[in-house]
Amino acid sequence: SAVISQKPSRDICQRGTSLTIQCQVDSQVTMMFWYRQQPGQSLTLIATANQGSEATYESGFVIDKFPISRPNLTFSTLTVSNMSPEDSSIYLCSVGLAGISYNEQFFGPGTRLTVL
Amino acid sequence: AQSVAQPEDQVNVAEGNPLTVKCTYSVSGNPYLFWYVQYPNRGLQFLLKYITGDNLVKGSYGFEAEFNKSQTSFHLKKPSALVSDSALYFCAVRSGWGTGANNLFFGTGTRLTVIP
Repeated sequence: SAVISQKPSRDICQRGTSLTIQCQVDSQVTMMFWYRQQPGQSLTLIATANQGSEATYESGFVIDKFPISRPNLTFSTLTVSNMSPEDSSIYLCSVGLAGISYNEQFFGPGTRLTVL
Repeated sequence: AQSVAQPEDQVNVAEGNPLTVKCTYSVSGNPYLFWYVQYPNRGLQFLLKYITGDNLVKGSYGFEAEFNKSQTSFHLKKPSALVSDSALYFCAVRSGWGTGANNLFFGTGTRLTVIP
């Protein structure tokens, strides 16, 4: 498994501002992902964070709104830009470990974002 | 299209009784099925998975799940519930394997409450 930490654990932000969420893993991993869990709803994949290239976004998510960085194999950031109350969610980072199988993903503790 | 259904938002069970959390899926091709648990203020923890082989899969904390292809179900079970099992449970499915199929599709979650 992997130990995954996220910063901040929670934040309250004003409409129109941006927040950058950090995800740190204690070992090098090939696959890193960002999910959103809206209140009372399930998890939705936002994008796959690719090391050394642009992130791969899922339908309904765009780079201008959710820019992602992946400077190395242990770290990634997700920015929620120009926030609105609809962006209030838990944002989760997850990783897939090479050598086990990419099917099994491990999740960070999440960042609880509230937009006023 | 892939989807997962968890028909029960809430399951209550008395401590010591058997528990079942239901999950049905729809996927093209062979399904890869997962159960995750989310404790309050914590990230998702992997419980078990079905990729191939025996239909009865055993996982962490005494949980098991039975894959039923004809009923497209993957119900989570435990013979004797503990109060500490109270949490939010998510079923998830993938239809791919390896680096090209990253998407985990999650159900809406079932809140399990074990009553002392």
